[in-house]
Amino acid sequence: SQQGEEDPQALSIQEGENATMNCSYKTSINNLQWYRQNSGRGLVHLILIRSNEREKHSGRLRVTLDTSKKSSSLLITASRAADTASYFCATAVIQGAQKLVFGQGTRLTINP
Amino acid sequence: DAGITQSPRHKVTETGTPVTLRCHQTENHRYMYWYRQDPGHGLRLIHYSYGVKDTDKGEVSDGYSVSRSKTEDFLLTLESATSSQTSVYFCAISDQGSNQPQHFGDGTRLSIL
Repeated sequence: SQQGEEDPQALSIQEGENATMNCSYKTSINNLQWYRQNSGRGLVHLILIRSNEREKHSGRLRVTLDTSKKSSSLLITASRAADTASYFCATAVIQGAQKLVFGQGTRLTINP
Repeated sequence: DAGITQSPRHKVTETGTPVTLRCHQTENHRYMYWYRQDPGHGLRLIHYSYGVKDTDKGEVSDGYSVSRSKTEDFLLTLESATSSQTSVYFCAISDQGSNQPQHFGDGTRLSIL
């Protein structure tokens, strides 16, 4: 079964609104990473948050991590049409060697 | 963009034929990964490498083999392709495994008829 599960599976909002995506996981982790994938392209890394961190920012992106609830959220503020993409969380499990386990992703559509 | 090249970018072949996909990096990263992406399954790890000639299985390794004879090249082979292996295949690299971000190629779209 998937380590990471994302919610919602699809999200459609108006340009300028904020978008929030959630990721839940099952086992203890070293870090959690968020990636973006534009149609027909490979994944692009956005943010890495370590297990001892609670929040990280990068530009319009804000990631939170709650290890007690085994969950993370990605907030995109002031969304733009160019933010339309699929977003994936990936977890580096403590006993998982040097590999990531990806969730199934959230498909975000920004409407002009 | 990180220097990762996947070849071919598209391939159509028939069931039972051997297929080899190539991933080439110019970053001198230690770790290289092969994933497949299918609707409803996200990305699933097939095999990965943690150095020249050092490889390990991932979540969905059955029917696939890999080789890494040089730091820069990681080959994925389907010995006898089946229709269930129709997918988009991504290569990724990382300098420190899962402790650092992975950088992805643009994928190979493989169709097996």
